[in-house]
Amino acid sequence: NAGVTQTPKFRVLKTGQSMTLLCAQDMNHEYMYWYRQDPGMGLRLIHYSVGEGTTAKGEVPDGYNVSRLKKQNFLLGLESAAPSQTSVYFCASSDRQGRMSKTQYFGPGTRLLVL
Amino acid sequence: TQLLEQSPQFLSIQEGENLTVYCNSSSVFSSLQWYRQEPGEGPVLLVTVVTGGEVKKLKRLTFQFGDARKDSSLHITAAQPGDTGLYLCAGERATDSWGKLQFGAGTQVVVTP
Repeated sequence: NAGVTQTPKFRVLKTGQSMTLLCAQDMNHEYMYWYRQDPGMGLRLIHYSVGEGTTAKGEVPDGYNVSRLKKQNFLLGLESAAPSQTSVYFCASSDRQGRMSKTQYFGPGTRLLVL
Repeated sequence: TQLLEQSPQFLSIQEGENLTVYCNSSSVFSSLQWYRQEPGEGPVLLVTVVTGGEVKKLKRLTFQFGDARKDSSLHITAAQPGDTGLYLCAGERATDSWGKLQFGAGTQVVVTP
């Protein structure tokens, strides 16, 4: 049981390049999330999904796209990377219990540097 | 502007001392969670509080949810070097979509031997 895994662990991009970050979870969770973490700003929600085939915008969605074609995978795409997207990206998943979510389980993070 | 304000931002103490971290907001939360994050890893949940005034204890850690469900605190008694990490509070508002959490900026705690 691997929990939440993220690929790649580290990447360097040049401005304007594109890339996809992959998140996979093996806990059969309904909800999945993508966050970015920057110094002094905590975790900010980029996009999230409440089930296979559904996605929704979070707090800072501009410049990112996502897809959830399979329940266990949540992809985050950067179409044209900018230096402002240099950050650590975390994927998380959770189940739900009534009106409240259960624990969010986080992956180990992807460090992205955009030059 | 963070919806959840954590204070202090940084705390350095010696082993054996006590510390308290605060998480405050003007919004009401249906639940509030505390996570700890170590370098190079993702956050890991410590506790969830859901009832105003609730107090939960996890060994030397005591968590309290404010009566009005707008604030929370984390108190560590007799801190140990293993308590070093970034402590994050996160709240789920009743007005938000299910499962969405608002995170504070975090409090970096360093406990030296």
